[in-house]
Formats: sequence, C-alpha cells, structure tokens
Amino acid sequence: NAGVTQTPKFQVLKTGQSMTLQCAQDMNHEYMSWYRQDPGMGLRLIHYSVGAGITDQGEVPNGYNVSRSTTEDFPLRLLSAAPSQTSVYFCASRGSGSSYEQYFGPGTRLTVT
Amino acid sequence: GNSVTQMEGPVTLSEEAFLTINCTYTATGYPSLFWYVQYPGEGLQLLLKATKADDKGSNKGFEATYRKETTSFHLEKGSVQVSDSAVYFCALNPAGTASKLTFGTGTRLQVTL
Repeated sequence: NAGVTQTPKFQVLKTGQSMTLQCAQDMNHEYMSWYRQDPGMGLRLIHYSVGAGITDQGEVPNGYNVSRSTTEDFPLRLLSAAPSQTSVYFCASRGSGSSYEQYFGPGTRLTVT
Repeated sequence: GNSVTQMEGPVTLSEEAFLTINCTYTATGYPSLFWYVQYPGEGLQLLLKATKADDKGSNKGFEATYRKETTSFHLEKGSVQVSDSAVYFCALNPAGTASKLTFGTGTRLQVTL
C-alpha cells in the first residue's frame, strides 16, 4: 500500500492563480481531510469528507473548494490564490472504525507571491 | 469549542534525559486523544492514542495517560535519544464526529549528545 499520496510536493503560485492539490489513498478509507500547517498554529482543518459525494467545511474553509467523486481521491482547489494561503497542506484519511486514527500524506508546500 | 493547549517549545534535552511535554484539552464528552510526531521534512505520524478515560497509550518508549479529571494527556519518555528530535503535536477528535482533529500548536524537541 502506498498509503496517502499528495502531489505536488512544492508549488509556487502568483496571486490570483488557481491550482488543485491532489490527494489519493489506497486504503479504502471513508474519511478524508485537508489541513494546513502554519508556524505557531499547529494544523487547522480546511475541509473534510465522510464518503464519496459528501463534503463539509472545517475551521478555515474560505478560499478553498473540495469535491469527492471517488473513495480514493480528495482534491483541494484554490480558485484565486492569495499570499495568506502560503502554507504546508496535509491530506489525511481514516477508516470507519472507532479509533479515529488518521493517516497523513507527506504534504505540499505552497508559496503564493 | 474544542481546543488543545500544549507547552511552548523548543525543549532541549541531553540524550537519556527524561521527557515530559504537557497537553491539556477542552472538549465536551469524551474525545479521543492523540500524540502525533513530525520529523523534519515529513508528514505527521501517529505516535500513540487513547480513546477513553484512564487509558494509557504507549509506543516506542513514549507513553501518555488520558486523565479526564485534569483534562490532560501529557507525553512522557524515560530516556530520550537524538533520533527523537522532532515536533510533537497533541490532538483530539471529538466523540462521535467523523474526522475532525483539533491540534495543539506543536512542541519542538531537540535532543543533544
């Protein structure tokens, strides 16, 4: 199993550009989430999904869109990038058991200039 | 709302010293509690977890006990190694919710010879 994979590892955008961060998992997990990590703030939840076709907002959803058309994939879209979105983005997944253990991808470092 | 507070870092210790990283939380009911570790340039890995009061999670010599009365989940290790140098995050997942981890801000541990 590859676990949770994310692409790209690094990305530089100009203000106003759009892009999609890719996330995929091969563990047949129902739940998937996107977090951003900023210095001194830990990780904050952006959006999450409890299954294909179902998504919901987390703590910091503004400026981001998600969709979940398959169990495996959970892309994160930035429609018009802003410098405030400079961050490291982590995707995570977990199964439907009661342990709530989440598995994280390696992250995407995004810089918006 | 839910929140996690962990001690400020960085924490600098000599090899074989005793480690404690404090973590307290605010949440309703009985959340699941986690410690995640992030090595330089990598994503987060689950270190240990506890899903109910008085549970003790343990892994790789680290341990933490879920204390409902003090709303705490302090991380301890009896003898740290240089390879333990990393950032440690305390996190909670509210009971009955899908995939919504709330993280502390992280504590950087530096272990020297």
